[in-house]
Amino acid sequence: DVKVTQSSRYLVKRTGEKVFLECVQDMDHENMFWYRQDPGLGLRLIYFSYDVKMKEKGDIPEGYSVSREKKERFSLILESASTNQTSMYLCASRPGSTGIETQYFGPGTRLLVL
Amino acid sequence: SQQGEEDPQALSIQEGENATMNCSYKTSINNLQWYRQNSGRGLVHLILIRSNEREKHSGRLRVTLDTSKKSSSLLITASRAADTASYFCATDAPGTYKYIFGTGTRLKVLA
Repeated sequence: DVKVTQSSRYLVKRTGEKVFLECVQDMDHENMFWYRQDPGLGLRLIYFSYDVKMKEKGDIPEGYSVSREKKERFSLILESASTNQTSMYLCASRPGSTGIETQYFGPGTRLLVL
Repeated sequence: SQQGEEDPQALSIQEGENATMNCSYKTSINNLQWYRQNSGRGLVHLILIRSNEREKHSGRLRVTLDTSKKSSSLLITASRAADTASYFCATDAPGTYKYIFGTGTRLKVLA
């Protein structure tokens, strides 16, 4: 079974802190994604990566950066956390890019920025 | 926005009843998928339907797709309390790596 793990289920940070959210997948998937989920807004794509060291901006990249140094690991970085980044963060991976692959999600990290 | 929309936003039914939720999207697609999310958890894939298919079944799930109306429906038959979750449709965005997720339908099945 594909497993996508996220480093924390819950995280509380202060405004201005640098925050790292880690995601690891164990199925050698090419593509990895970071979403944020907010009530009434559904899932919004922050960044994605289609290969090691390759990344592309999603729909809401402002205030975030990412790192993919190894194929299995995709990190989301909040350079200077702000209260409007309080949200549920979901990592996902999938094997290819034909559009018919299942996307596998991690359990999510609920981040609270005070 | 390319985001899809589910309808209704919330649905409450009795155990044993059928639950129907709808998804509308805005752009042309190759495929549409449905995912389920239990409270506070990640999403889990349920079923995929290709743009050249009109209906697909998987266990108690039935999905229809009408590309002329840019809409899909998910039917869960004989619902159970364990079906309580949020359900999302997701469409591919041809030419990109993206899947575009809708805003979700929150289903509550009362025992």
